[in-house]
Amino acid sequence: GNSVTQMEGPVTLSEEAFLTINCTYTATGYPSLFWYVQYPGEGLQLLLKATKADDKGSNKGFEATYRKETTSFHLEKGSVQVSDSAVYFCALKASGGYQKVTFGTGTKLQVIP
Amino acid sequence: SQTIHQWPATLVQPVGSPLSLECTVEGTSNPNLYWYRQAAGRGLQLLFYSVGIGQISSEVPQNLSASRPQDRQFILSSKKLLLSDSGFYLCAWDNPRAVGTSNQPQHFGDGTRLSIL
Repeated sequence: GNSVTQMEGPVTLSEEAFLTINCTYTATGYPSLFWYVQYPGEGLQLLLKATKADDKGSNKGFEATYRKETTSFHLEKGSVQVSDSAVYFCALKASGGYQKVTFGTGTKLQVIP
Repeated sequence: SQTIHQWPATLVQPVGSPLSLECTVEGTSNPNLYWYRQAAGRGLQLLFYSVGIGQISSEVPQNLSASRPQDRQFILSSKKLLLSDSGFYLCAWDNPRAVGTSNQPQHFGDGTRLSIL
């Protein structure tokens, strides 16, 4: 079956530090890949997505590149802010017909001033 | 534009009481609908999904049930709540059957925080 593996958290960074949250996946075919962000007490918001190999999704300074050769979709940001503190979920949706989304377990990011 | 509404935002219920959480979607037709539960500090667990009116699939055996009485309405229910039903419940939708929207992401509501006493 499909699976998503994220790096364990929590991740604590100082403001303006570089962020990487690792995500690898297992799926047949060519899934679409997503990053969601969840701020405290809220639902999940789509942060970015990529639907085919070598696509780069980007939003709000975050980026992730769909790497089929390494089955990875790592999230990066060059300079984090305190307001980026949240839980980040990597997810995939397999191709073809109706497919459920498979989520990773989430990585909590805390940015300190 | 499409929107999703969940209510109530928070709920405190005694053990053994009934439950009804409601979710509605606006601005799209024939969406797939989902109920997730998120335990404190944990990931998402898919509870139910529905691809159409009256069509409910259950992912895990549990004390809860779901219904879809209308195209854009999804209800999560229980006849008698257990302590283990506490958590953060999220409703979501997607519409992969719409033209030009294959492999679109799921969109989430703001969630309901359920505490069982």
